[in-house]
Amino acid sequence: GAVVSQHPSRVICKSGTSVKIECRSLDFQATTMFWYRQFPKQSLMLMATSNEGSKATYEQGVEKDKFLINHASLTLSTLTVTSAHPEDSSFYICSATAPQRETQYFGPGTRLLVL
Amino acid sequence: GESVGLHLPTLSVQEGDNSIINCAYSNSASDYFIWYKQESGKGPQFIIDIRSNMDKRQGQRVTVLLNKTVKHLSLQIAATQPGDSAVYFCAENPPPGGYQKVTFGTGTKLQVIP
Repeated sequence: GAVVSQHPSRVICKSGTSVKIECRSLDFQATTMFWYRQFPKQSLMLMATSNEGSKATYEQGVEKDKFLINHASLTLSTLTVTSAHPEDSSFYICSATAPQRETQYFGPGTRLLVL
Repeated sequence: GESVGLHLPTLSVQEGDNSIINCAYSNSASDYFIWYKQESGKGPQFIIDIRSNMDKRQGQRVTVLLNKTVKHLSLQIAATQPGDSAVYFCAENPPPGGYQKVTFGTGTKLQVIP
């Protein structure tokens, strides 16, 4: 399998601040990265699909101005939660893939707590 | 036995027994299915996949069965071990997403009793 990392692994911030989460594919070039959100005891919900060099495609109900996604290189995508509020507290998980790969490879997740 | 919690069904299995985790998928046009294992506080880990032109696929200690008639997927784990304790998700690949984009199911928590 491939290796995908996320940074930070957990972050605590004050309400109203912005938080950036990085997702890196360490051993392959990821043309596509996905961002998911997972609340306790629930499944992963896809937030957006990010293709390198183009704008992200957001799922219905996900605010693109609140969750800014940048996929500037084939190994890095970032998710910025702007003006975070307590209801944004969640487990954010990214995954990476490429056309020659049939499946996604998931990062370890980032735990966000907004106070 | 099985129990349904607030959001996550739980399956309790004695160590050494076989586990069967079931999943009903939603889109009859889905052509690719994956099982993931997620341990507490970690990202999902790929276990096994199957395409819609197959009804069974075996891996190491795991078998996935696909019944397209009733849109049902199952994961069988042989000789369940304590390290198998985790939440298991099935995921389907509905069109036109391509192989990479998937939709996750609800998940089942597997508890292995030593």
